[in-house]
Amino acid sequence: HSALTQPASVSGSPGQSITISCTGSSSDIGGYNYVSWYQQHPGKAPKLIIFDVTYRPSGVSVRFSGSRSANTASLTISGLQAEDEADYYCSSFTSSSTLAFGGGTKLTVL
Amino acid sequence: EVLLVESGGALVQPGRSLRLSCAASGFTFDECAMHWVRQVPGRGLEWVAGIGWGGHSIYYADSVRGRFTISRDNAKNSLYLQMNSLRSDDTALYFCARVPPGFYTYMDVWGKGTTVTVSS
Repeated sequence: HSALTQPASVSGSPGQSITISCTGSSSDIGGYNYVSWYQQHPGKAPKLIIFDVTYRPSGVSVRFSGSRSANTASLTISGLQAEDEADYYCSSFTSSSTLAFGGGTKLTVL
Repeated sequence: EVLLVESGGALVQPGRSLRLSCAASGFTFDECAMHWVRQVPGRGLEWVAGIGWGGHSIYYADSVRGRFTISRDNAKNSLYLQMNSLRSDDTALYFCARVPPGFYTYMDVWGKGTTVTVSS
């Protein structure tokens, strides 16, 4: 049982945009500006793509963007490319000073 | 090059102990908080424990509190995870991950992981 809830899968065609949601509570997502997103390709370590809700690390494509509304954070990928096919995880700092991850979302590029 | 290399993973019987290590290089280790994150094959990520740059701020997931101990040796640029009373549900790939200096809540560099299998 993950503390944060993500859809198990999403899909989209090349060039389209998709959004992955991540729902928590006021004790995590809604209470802090500390939501991050990670991309993980099969057999690889996770890669940071969004931190502090909306910020992109250097080198991450501008096609990736983050947002938040109340207790739900979202990751939007625009202009889908084949290489975006991967698992995506949200994470948030919590009121217990721990980190929580979502269960992960598998993105399929059709 | 910023690098994290985990080691110490093994096949171990339930109830036994194991110590994981993470060797850091390419950055100023004593300026960075560090975390351990694990992943059951085919499943999602689970945060395990985190430690501040000085080793004084330490936090654990409920699933490992009281059994696991995170520590660091800044002189050796190394992070550790002492795992006691291991259970079958501790079986996973264990990653160490770096936090950028001045932060705690996200991880920008990850190792490749070391595999722990708990089975009789």
